[in-house]
Amino acid sequence: AQTVTQSQPEMSVQEAETVTLSCTYDTSESDYYLFWYKQPPSRQMILVIRQEAYKQQNATENRFSVNFQKAAKSFSLKISDSQLGDAAMYFCGQGGSEKLVFGKGTKLTVNP
Amino acid sequence: SAVISQKPSRDICQRGTSLTIQCQVDSQVTMMFWYRQQPGQSLTLIATANQGSEATYESGFVIDKFPISRPNLTFSTLTVSNMSPEDSSIYLCSVGSGRPGELFFGEGSRLTVL
Repeated sequence: AQTVTQSQPEMSVQEAETVTLSCTYDTSESDYYLFWYKQPPSRQMILVIRQEAYKQQNATENRFSVNFQKAAKSFSLKISDSQLGDAAMYFCGQGGSEKLVFGKGTKLTVNP
Repeated sequence: SAVISQKPSRDICQRGTSLTIQCQVDSQVTMMFWYRQQPGQSLTLIATANQGSEATYESGFVIDKFPISRPNLTFSTLTVSNMSPEDSSIYLCSVGSGRPGELFFGEGSRLTVL
């Protein structure tokens, strides 16, 4: 079975600072994808970053980067130079195709 | 990207009634997905809807409770039947982007059952 665990229900960061959100997962699949989605208060989920499990290089998207530790089944998200607009729920997840399994989310607050 | 519109955006319903949620996509897609997000919880896949065939339901979800229609490649409906307060959730429609692991989501339909 696929599981995703986010151990931090809430996190906060000062504007312009860096924050790391944790995520661990378990899967029996050999080929899978990992991702982070953002859900702002408007509720529309948006893909933040995506990582193919077969790639060793960590994915980056502007201020967002991941630390993918395959052996440890860890997939953390680092947000650099945090902005007020980064405040949202962040969901970690995994999937082999389009069927995705999500963690319970981390609520990120950005303090001015 | 795909633009997904859901109706209603929110509703308050009485116990025992049914409500149908509509999902409209601005492009043709093969599969549409319905997720449930219970208060304080993550997203859980209810079912996958393919045009021209019956929806595929995940464990714990049944067609009698969550009937789904998929009449064409841009539209789907999810009905929440015989509602109870435990059905109070946000229901989200989504479609794939073509890249594994990437979905586009609607803004969701927040249902409150009294």
